[in-house]
Amino acid sequence: KAGVTQTPRYLIKTRGQQVTLSCSPISGHRSVSWYQQTPGQGLQFLFEYFSETQRNKGNFPGRFSGRQFSNSRSEMNVSTLELGDSALYLCASSLDGDAFNQPQHFGDGTRLSIL
Amino acid sequence: DQQVKQNSPSLSVQEGRISILNCDYTNSMFDYFLWYKKYPAEGPTFLISISSIKDKNEDGRFTVFLNKSAKHLSLHIVPSQPGDSAVYFCAASLAGGTSYGKLTFGQGTILTVHP
Repeated sequence: KAGVTQTPRYLIKTRGQQVTLSCSPISGHRSVSWYQQTPGQGLQFLFEYFSETQRNKGNFPGRFSGRQFSNSRSEMNVSTLELGDSALYLCASSLDGDAFNQPQHFGDGTRLSIL
Repeated sequence: DQQVKQNSPSLSVQEGRISILNCDYTNSMFDYFLWYKKYPAEGPTFLISISSIKDKNEDGRFTVFLNKSAKHLSLHIVPSQPGDSAVYFCAASLAGGTSYGKLTFGQGTILTVHP
């Protein structure tokens, strides 16, 4: 069974640019969550999508956005990049987003570096 | 506001001995707890979980203990193996629709198992 796939694995951007990251969940999983991992803040929840709808959102500015397609694949977008956006961005999928029913399965992440 | 805390940044144990990783939380509404393991350049991998209605869950060499009154949980690995060397994250989830897809993570503990 294929795992969660994130593309690209590495990305280098400059301040002010925008970036789009992609996540393909495990087949059959309808919930996709995004996290940002930095050395200082650890793993922080960005948002969650289920059936193309954002159901939950963390405390990040509006520059961070996402969407989910009908096949459950998800993208996240960061506009007007700042140096502080340099991080590992992790995508996780599960059947329905309820950890009690099934734990989240993570991809290997996209390492974003801002110059 | 760090709702989930792993106060030990690192732990070093000898192969064959017990590894005990600790986690404290402040939000009494958390009702489900998970442990993830992370190797470098890979995403977190689910290890074991426990519901707040239980005080112990066991899976092979891994056992998680939950002390609700102390808001404390621990992961025991017996016996420890060099392949267990990784970063271990404690995570917590709230019940219900307000927390779909959201896990709150601790900062992680680096476990090193020496041969």
